[in-house]
Amino acid sequence: DTAVSQTPKYLVTQMGNDKSIKCEQNLGHDTMYWYKQDSKKFLKIMFSYNNKELIINETVPNRFSPKSPDKAHLNLHINSLELGDSAVYFCASSDGQGSYEQYFGPGTRLTVT
Amino acid sequence: GENVEQHPSTLSVQEGDSAVIKCTYSDSASNYFPWYKQELGKRPQLIIDIRSNVGEKKDQRIAVTLNKTAKHFSLHITETQPEDSAVYFCAAKPSSNDYKLSFGAGTTVTVRA
Repeated sequence: DTAVSQTPKYLVTQMGNDKSIKCEQNLGHDTMYWYKQDSKKFLKIMFSYNNKELIINETVPNRFSPKSPDKAHLNLHINSLELGDSAVYFCASSDGQGSYEQYFGPGTRLTVT
Repeated sequence: GENVEQHPSTLSVQEGDSAVIKCTYSDSASNYFPWYKQELGKRPQLIIDIRSNVGEKKDQRIAVTLNKTAKHFSLHITETQPEDSAVYFCAAKPSSNDYKLSFGAGTTVTVRA
């Protein structure tokens, strides 16, 4: 009965590689998000999709590319990984219909070596 | 855009005492103010929220107060217990955007037994 799930949970890779993180929600929500949480615990919004349409696109290197094949899935692809990309990446979703609560996934800890 | 400042960054309290975390926001048009709790290694989860048409909201041992004039809101935890130890994040949502939350930097609360 996991509401928002992410894979993988841990990702260790070398600089320069390309990797993807997948997110799925079974809450029937219309809106999904990607957040980056750095070592100082700061939660920063990166992207948001509403019904497969990009609605939030913060100042993020264009090595990061989100893709939403349907409103239940939001993936994050990262090209040419750098040391500074090491962080925990959280996916979240909200129903956008008067309730603003965001439900977070368990996070993906990315370590770039 | 919205800027949310959160204080203190760390807070240590004796079990049974109260804990107070304060946040200020910059956008006077913001209309939704949630608080998220993140236990070590876990996902952020909503614990309480307040909308701009309400001055105070309480749920058992936690309460949130909002001062729109001063543009600040606070989280109050009474009778703290060891399980209250976590990182707490405040956030604000502008009325112009139903999807974007701007988070504070977080407060690490430690409850001493």
